[in-house]
Amino acid sequence: SQKIEQNSEALNIQEGKTATLTCNYTNYSPAYLQWYRQDPGRGPVFLLLIRENEKEKRKERLKVTFDTTLKQSLFHITASQPADSATYLCALDNAGNMLTFGGGTRLMVKP
Amino acid sequence: EAGVVQSPRYKIIEKKQPVAFWCNPISGHNTLYWYLQNLGQGPELLIRYENEEAVDDSQLPKDRFSAERLKGVDSTLKIQPAELGDSAVYLCASSLGGSSYNEQFFGPGTRLTVL
Repeated sequence: SQKIEQNSEALNIQEGKTATLTCNYTNYSPAYLQWYRQDPGRGPVFLLLIRENEKEKRKERLKVTFDTTLKQSLFHITASQPADSATYLCALDNAGNMLTFGGGTRLMVKP
Repeated sequence: EAGVVQSPRYKIIEKKQPVAFWCNPISGHNTLYWYLQNLGQGPELLIRYENEEAVDDSQLPKDRFSAERLKGVDSTLKIQPAELGDSAVYLCASSLGGSSYNEQFFGPGTRLTVL
């Protein structure tokens, strides 16, 4: 089965800086990779989807990259704001038409 | 448009008691998921429905957990009897289709505490 690794330690950055979160996987490359945001006490909210044949995807201040050679996706938030503070989850399709979620990385943006 | 609705939001029960969670997905979403999320971890799939059919329940502990989705809309997840280790957040999600290409819309979850 697919193993997904996200940094379990919180990432603390200063407002205005770029936050970079990492999602590594160990087995086969998924056809799709999704990123979600989760705030305390709430369910995850979809942010972006990137396909295996796409190197990069952007949405406003968000950018996702997908490197099937490194088996890694990077999630960037540029010009970060305190409101971006949340836990970010990556999710990969597991060849069974299902999503497997990583453990998430908590981002803290300090004003 | 209303999102995924779950109830109750919180539930505290004694071990060995039964408990049930209810989910109303977004209108028109054929696919419904139940996930379990432990503190500090990502959601883990318990069961997936395509309309009223359970198409993936391999991770559902069938000795104590059961689920149903009558008429292919609302769904109920039940635990009987509950154990201490069942304390977690139970999330319901829905999507337009069952492909991993489809984004999933999550409800707020039910936080279960088993004493």
